[in-house]
Amino acid sequence: EDQVTQSPEALRLQEGESSSLNCSYTVSGLRGLFWYRQDPGKGPEFLFTLYSAGEEKEKERLKATLTKKESFLHITAPKPEDSATYLCAVQDLDSSYKLIFGSGTRLLVRP
Amino acid sequence: DAGVIQSPRHEVTEMGQEVTLRCKPISGHDYLFWYRQTMMRGLELLIYFNNNVPIDDSGMPEDRFSAKMPNASFSTLKIQPSEPRDSAVYFCASSPQGYEGKAFFGQGTRLTVV
Repeated sequence: EDQVTQSPEALRLQEGESSSLNCSYTVSGLRGLFWYRQDPGKGPEFLFTLYSAGEEKEKERLKATLTKKESFLHITAPKPEDSATYLCAVQDLDSSYKLIFGSGTRLLVRP
Repeated sequence: DAGVIQSPRHEVTEMGQEVTLRCKPISGHDYLFWYRQTMMRGLELLIYFNNNVPIDDSGMPEDRFSAKMPNASFSTLKIQPSEPRDSAVYFCASSPQGYEGKAFFGQGTRLTVV
């Protein structure tokens, strides 16, 4: 059964304090791994797609990496506006195009 | 484009009543997804359509739930009869052909069944 586990559940950082979020996954065959950002009261917003181990993607202060078992979302010198819930999701090659989401990491960046 | 549009934004109904949630996907997108989000279970896929045809409805919890997509610009998710455990935020999302993992989500409908 496909599974996605995110850690930590919540993370508090000071502005400028870099850190990483973890996403561990189990799938029979990975079609893709996706990172989304969700602000309170809004729908998730797409950030990155990763397809194969060793792949990296960057956007502003965010960098996503992928191994065969997990993905990391690195946040460099975060700002308060980076505060949100970050969701990881996977697509299994055997499961059509459904996304299996993790429970998310709630990030709070204090000024 | 205005993005994925869902209505209503909030719905409060009594147990046993019928509830209909509506979604207008982004024009030109071939895939439409209905998700449900709760604190306990997170974000779960209920059903998705490709070119208006339901492809995977394995996430629909019970026969009380039904979804339709009569045309490329409109979809509904209906719950009849509603129960308190159906209380959640329901999201509609769409994506273009070839980018199925990159979904564009609507603002969601917060459903409360009392």
